[in-house]
Amino acid sequence: NAGVTQTPKFRILKIGQSMTLQCTQDMNHNYMYWYRQDPGMGLKLIYYSVGAGITDKGEVPNGYNVSRSTTEDFPLRLELAAPSQTSVYFCASSSPGELFFGSGTQLSVL
Amino acid sequence: GQNIDQPTEMTATEGAIVQINCTYQTSGFNGLFWYQQHAGEAPTFLSYNVLDGLEEKGRFSSFLSRSKGYSYLLLKELQMKDSASYLCAVNPSGAGSYQLTFGKGTKLSVIP
Repeated sequence: NAGVTQTPKFRILKIGQSMTLQCTQDMNHNYMYWYRQDPGMGLKLIYYSVGAGITDKGEVPNGYNVSRSTTEDFPLRLELAAPSQTSVYFCASSSPGELFFGSGTQLSVL
Repeated sequence: GQNIDQPTEMTATEGAIVQINCTYQTSGFNGLFWYQQHAGEAPTFLSYNVLDGLEEKGRFSSFLSRSKGYSYLLLKELQMKDSASYLCAVNPSGAGSYQLTFGKGTKLSVIP
């Protein structure tokens, strides 16, 4: 029972590089989310999607892009990595009454 | 604006009971979540309260008072493995979409 799967688990980027964080879920959930978690801070919502083809900005979307071409996949794109994007990123999907998180991606931008 | 407050750290003894409080002021309210997060791991779901009152799940209980903007998580018969951060999160958006606002978390240390 895979649930929400994120790759990679760890990544180091140089300033200005780009990358895509992958997220897939096998629970047929319409709702998916990307959060970031910085030390000593609460998780912040970056983007969310209510279904294939529909995405919207969360609290901290600047510097990120998303797409949702299928129900299963919700990748997060960083175009020009900046040190402020050093964080742990969690993908999540939800069903009524429950929000499931992936295992996270620890990203460092140096 | 959105504001969620919970204590930064707590310490409790193995076998005891601990209550972690959470107060919130948000622009909307459609439920409150509690999550457990061990260091270096993803948050795992503990409870979801929409209506006022106490919900019990084994050693863990969660209480909600919407009129007071207040919730607590009660952990009974504490075990060493309960040492973790506990995250309070409010869903201010419409039902169905969980665009959660999280508190900063309470780090619980269970000592022998």
